[in-house]
Amino acid sequence: KNEVEQSPQNLTAQEGEFITINCSYSVGISALHWLQQHPGGGIVSLFMLSSGKKKHGRLIATINIQEKHSSLHITASHPRDSAVYICAASGGGADGLTFGKGTHLIIQP
Amino acid sequence: NAGVTQTPKFRVLKTGQSMTLLCAQDMNHEYMYWYRQDPGMGLRLIHYSVGEGTTAKGEVPDGYNVSRLKKQNFLLGLESAAPSQTSVYFCASGTGYGANVLTFGAGSRLTVL
Repeated sequence: KNEVEQSPQNLTAQEGEFITINCSYSVGISALHWLQQHPGGGIVSLFMLSSGKKKHGRLIATINIQEKHSSLHITASHPRDSAVYICAASGGGADGLTFGKGTHLIIQP
Repeated sequence: NAGVTQTPKFRVLKTGQSMTLLCAQDMNHEYMYWYRQDPGMGLRLIHYSVGEGTTAKGEVPDGYNVSRLKKQNFLLGLESAAPSQTSVYFCASGTGYGANVLTFGAGSRLTVL
C-alpha cells in the first residue's frame, strides 16, 4: 500500500509570498495528483502528472520520479488561494487514489 | 453539465437507523467511488465500482453496502448507523483508463447521534 506524506500540515503566509507544498510517496506510481478543497466545499482536481512539470496560471506542480517526491508551488499568493491542498498517488489500479492528509493553507491579506 | 451530484448534502441520524446516499454522474464515466473524510486523515476509500452491476470493497468497507444498478448512479447504504460513521462522504467518478482523473461531488455531511 502506498504511503503518501505531505508537508507542512499547516501553512500561513502573507499575500504575495511564494508557496511550496511537498508530497512524498513510498512506492512507484503511474501518476501524482494535486487537488484543492475550499472550506466547506468540494474537491477539485488541479493537476495530474507523471513526469516533469505542469503550470496553470500561478500554480506549478513538479515531480521527481526517482526521488518519489512532488511539489506544488503557488506564485504571488492571494487570499483566495486559502484552501486545503491534497496530494494523491495513483497506482494505475481500479481502486483509484491514495490520499495524503492535506496541507491547510491560509494566505493573509 | 452537473458533473457529480450527491444527495442529501446533510443528514442527522440516530444510532441504528438506516439511510442511503445517492451519487449521480452525467459524464458517462465507468468508474465510481465512495470516500469518507475525517479530521486529521486523508480520504479513505469505502467501496468502488468499475462498471454497471459491479462493486468492490475499498479500505474501510465495514458497515456500508453499495449498488450500481445503473451506470450513472452509485448508491451508498448504511444499514445500521453508528456514531463512528459520522463523517463527510464524497463520491467521485472517473474514466478508469490509465492514470485516472477523478471528478468529485460536493460532499454529504452525515452525523450519527
